[in-house]
Amino acid sequence: DVKVTQSSRYLVKRTGEKVFLECVQDMDHENMFWYRQDPGLGLRLIYFSYDVKMKEKGDIPEGYSVSREKKERFSLILESASTNQTSMYLCASSLPTGRGLRGYTFGSGTRLTVV
Amino acid sequence: GENVEQHPSTLSVQEGDSAVIKCTYSDSASNYFPWYKQELGKRPQLIIDIRSNVGEKKDQRIAVTLNKTAKHFSLHITETQPEDSAVYFCAASRGTNAGKSTFGDGTTLTVKP
Repeated sequence: DVKVTQSSRYLVKRTGEKVFLECVQDMDHENMFWYRQDPGLGLRLIYFSYDVKMKEKGDIPEGYSVSREKKERFSLILESASTNQTSMYLCASSLPTGRGLRGYTFGSGTRLTVV
Repeated sequence: GENVEQHPSTLSVQEGDSAVIKCTYSDSASNYFPWYKQELGKRPQLIIDIRSNVGEKKDQRIAVTLNKTAKHFSLHITETQPEDSAVYFCAASRGTNAGKSTFGDGTTLTVKP
């Protein structure tokens, strides 16, 4: 019954590595989002996409990029991982407003530790 | 951009009591307000939502109220149970821009048996 799948639950990477976080949804949703979740800071939007090959910056895009080559897949890329990117990363998808937006469906999250 | 403030950050109640979590938003164009529940170690899940053309919505023991004039909305949980213990997030979004949501910082609710 899992509808939004994140490829890794836990990930440990070294400073300076290029890191790929993958997210796949099977609900035919147009919109996909990447958030990071930190204690006391809630969920902060990194990037989002409303269509294949379309992407827009969220509130904290620095140090990140994204790729959406297929509708069901939205990848988050850390170009050169740094320790301040240690966090829980949540992927989410949703229908657009015109098709009855009803909030997000979240993935289980990837807890990334950069050492 | 939108700014959402959520209070309180922690809330502890006795089983059977009511719990209220409040959020304020800054963008008068926001028109969709979902609430999410995140249990420990799990993903956030939508529990209830309200649109700006509605003042109140109820689903069993949970209800949400919206005051557009004051730009605040609240989550009410009645007859709380230990399984209601979780972190609750409010969010606000416009109908445009892919419906991207701005989240509050979360409220950790503890229901003591």
